[in-house]
Amino acid sequence: SAVISQKPSRDICQRGTSLTIQCQVDSQVTMMFWYRQQPGQSLTLIATANQGSEATYESGFVIDKFPISRPNLTFSTLTVSNMSPEDSSIYLCSTQRGGYGYTFGSGTRLTVV
Amino acid sequence: QQQVKQSPQSLIVQKGGISIINCAYENTAFDYFPWYQQFPGKGPALLIAIRPDVSEKKEGRFTISFNKSAKQFSLHIMDSQPGDSATYFCAASKGSSNTGKLIFGQGTTLQVKP
Repeated sequence: SAVISQKPSRDICQRGTSLTIQCQVDSQVTMMFWYRQQPGQSLTLIATANQGSEATYESGFVIDKFPISRPNLTFSTLTVSNMSPEDSSIYLCSTQRGGYGYTFGSGTRLTVV
Repeated sequence: QQQVKQSPQSLIVQKGGISIINCAYENTAFDYFPWYQQFPGKGPALLIAIRPDVSEKKEGRFTISFNKSAKQFSLHIMDSQPGDSATYFCAASKGSSNTGKLIFGQGTTLQVKP
């Protein structure tokens, strides 16, 4: 399965600012996924990012709030924009390779104060 | 609409006992059912997965039982150990489609007492 390096691992941010999270995969993958995990909760898919096309957002998530870049087949970023305390969560990237093998990064623990 | 329902929310088991976590799904198009294990501060790690063409899959102490007609699947952890204490998530996806996105259950926090 793919190995994902995600950074930063954690950050504390002021409300109203933005944070960009980076994910680097050790091999080329077609799709990358971004998830949010609120404290004590399950994982909720934010969007799916294919290289060379606009990301596809799930219901409740919009591009203005969570812009995503996918410049090549091994890298993606998620930006959390104009942050509020409600954005405090763990953000995780994931990818799929070999048909069914989903791998996750270690996550970014974001606290907005 | 919650497409994957997981129970129980929390579970306490004695060391050496059997831990059982259940999931039910709604979308009959799902064709890939993984279980993930997550420790605090870590991302989820794939534990074991099954496809609907088999009714059971075993890897070491971990077994998935799958009931296609009931749209249910479960994780059994045999001889549970304190090191198994973690949060477990079931998930489902249409792996053969172009979307391939995973839909997660609500999670089960397992505590194995020594």
